[in-house]
Amino acid sequence: SQQGEEDPQALSIQEGENATMNCSYKTSINNLQWYRQNSGRGLVHLILIRSNEREKHSGRLRVTLDTSKKSSSLLITASRAADTASYFCATTNAGKSTFGDGTTLTVKP
Amino acid sequence: GAGVSQSPRYKVAKRGQDVALRCDPISGHVSLFWYQQALGQGPEFLTYFQNEAQLDKSGLPSDRFFAERPEGSVSTLKIQRTQQEDSAVYLCASSSYRAPVSETQYFGPGTRLLVL
Repeated sequence: SQQGEEDPQALSIQEGENATMNCSYKTSINNLQWYRQNSGRGLVHLILIRSNEREKHSGRLRVTLDTSKKSSSLLITASRAADTASYFCATTNAGKSTFGDGTTLTVKP
Repeated sequence: GAGVSQSPRYKVAKRGQDVALRCDPISGHVSLFWYQQALGQGPEFLTYFQNEAQLDKSGLPSDRFFAERPEGSVSTLKIQRTQQEDSAVYLCASSSYRAPVSETQYFGPGTRLLVL
């Protein structure tokens, strides 16, 4: 069973809009990571946030982590058509990563 | 430098056939991970290695699944007597950090296995 659960399952927006995806998890973690997966390809690491961090930025990406609520969010600002992909959160504990089922983001040009 | 590579990229097997999937991690990466990804789902952990030692194989779904990394570099995931439910994408990832320290994993493109 998956520990991380992304919400929503699917998201469709216009280019230039912001996209927010959420992730909830169940057990304690060392860190939480977000990945992107384009259709038929492997996962690309986007950002890692440690359990003692609350917010992290990388370019157009902003990730928050609330360990009291066991949740994280990924915000993509000023979205582009090239951001169309599936986004997964993964929690890692004792070397083992557990992924959710992902949010499928479609950015319409 | 070169990323994680996997071969073959696609494999069609008849039910009952044995298959072997290969992963070449990034050179020098200590940790190597295998995941199984069913259609429309996230990857599920299968097993991981630190050098040649298999530290966790709790995710292997049955004793038909076997993974090895004999020299601490290339790894092979073997599935014996394949079943239709084994159809999935098998992803390999490597990391420069020693498990269980949890840092960024770099994924290969995956091997798409279809069992008929």
